[in-house]
Parts: sequence; C-alpha cells; structure tokens
Amino acid sequence: DIQMTQSPSSLSASVGDRVTITCRASQNIFTYLNWYQQKPGKAPKILVYAASSLQNGVPSRFSGSGSGTDFTLTISSLQPEDSATYYCQQSYSTLLYTFGQGTKLEIK
Amino acid sequence: QVQLVQSGAEVKKPGASVKVSCKASGYTFSSYYMHWVRQAPGQRLEWMGWINTANGDTQYSEKFQGRVTITRETSATTVYMELSSLTSEDTAIYYCARYWNDGYGYTWFDSWGQGALVTVSS
Repeated sequence: DIQMTQSPSSLSASVGDRVTITCRASQNIFTYLNWYQQKPGKAPKILVYAASSLQNGVPSRFSGSGSGTDFTLTISSLQPEDSATYYCQQSYSTLLYTFGQGTKLEIK
Repeated sequence: QVQLVQSGAEVKKPGASVKVSCKASGYTFSSYYMHWVRQAPGQRLEWMGWINTANGDTQYSEKFQGRVTITRETSATTVYMELSSLTSEDTAIYYCARYWNDGYGYTWFDSWGQGALVTVSS
C-alpha cells in the first residue's frame, strides 16, 4: 500500500499569511496527487489535481507543486474562509486509493 | 448541476448490515464510475471501492472484501453500498463520490454526496 503522510497535522496562521502544507508518499507516485479541502460537517471538495492543476472555480491563491514523493499545497494569501482540513490523496495505485491524515488549518 | 444525494443517518447493532444509497442527477449516470469513501470520527478518509455504473463491475479495497457490496439501479440513477457484519469500528460517515478521468490518466473525485452517518452501537 502507498502511505501518504502530511505535515504539519495542524497549524494556525493569520489572514494574509502564506501557508504551505506538505504531503509525502511512501513511493514514487509521479504527479498522481490530488488535494481536497473539507470544512466541518461538509464533504471534501477537490482543489488541485495532477499535483499542480487547479480545479475550475478554485481561487488562484491555491497552488500545488511537486512530483515523485514530495508535494506541497500553498495558499498565497490566507483568507478567513480557508479555515478547513486539507487532505492529499494519491491516484497512482488504482487498487487502493489512499489519503493523508489531514492538516487542520485555523485562522488566528 | 451535478448532485449526489445520499440516504439518511442509520443506527445499527453490531453484527447487522447497513445499506446506504446515493442518487445522482445532473449528468449522464452511466458515464462515470462511482466510489465510496468513509471517514470514521477523527480519522482520515478511507477508500472502500467503486462501481462501473455502465456495466456493474466492481472493485473493493482488500480491507472490506467480503463485507461490502456496491450495486447500482440504472433506471433510478442510484448507487448503493451495503456493509455487513458491522462492528463499532464501522461507525463513520459514508460518502459516495463521482470519479473523474481527464483522459490523460489523471483521476480524482470531483463531486461528493453529503455523507451518511452510520452509527454502530449495542
């Protein structure tokens, strides 16, 4: 199984800050990496697919990068509505799709 | 617009089975696979399996093999997930999620149901 590990598990930042969340895969997954945002009581929402492609309608302050085993999700200027938990997910192994443990982002 | 509407919350006793439905609308039902993902309290998202809504083929996570069955009713544009031999560890929110393939090998879950809470308690 491909294990996905995110860091940090939680963070607190201020409006306007630049925030970076990291995701590491246990083996090479090339760019088969997606990022989701989940707000309390809601279903996850796709933000970034194929490591760096922004889903239609997602604000341009979100960006993704990386390949191989190391990936990042960056929010260039944090907004109050970005308070959520963020998950990475690998789509390389189609026998078992796996997610990171999540990063809870709070606004100071 | 794409909508996935799931059935409501369920409370089940250990050893019982639960069947959750997911009604799709706003797109051609048979053109997209449907997956099921669950989220136990405070835990990460966990993939369970998928169904090819065109022909009914399925694939399940080894963890749930033998306990999960995903089916579809094409005329009702509805997918079902049944989980048997429930234990307290199956207490979770169960989501259906539409599977998008961009044609270049990249895939993701582009639309999700609202989730259905299943509580297993004696």
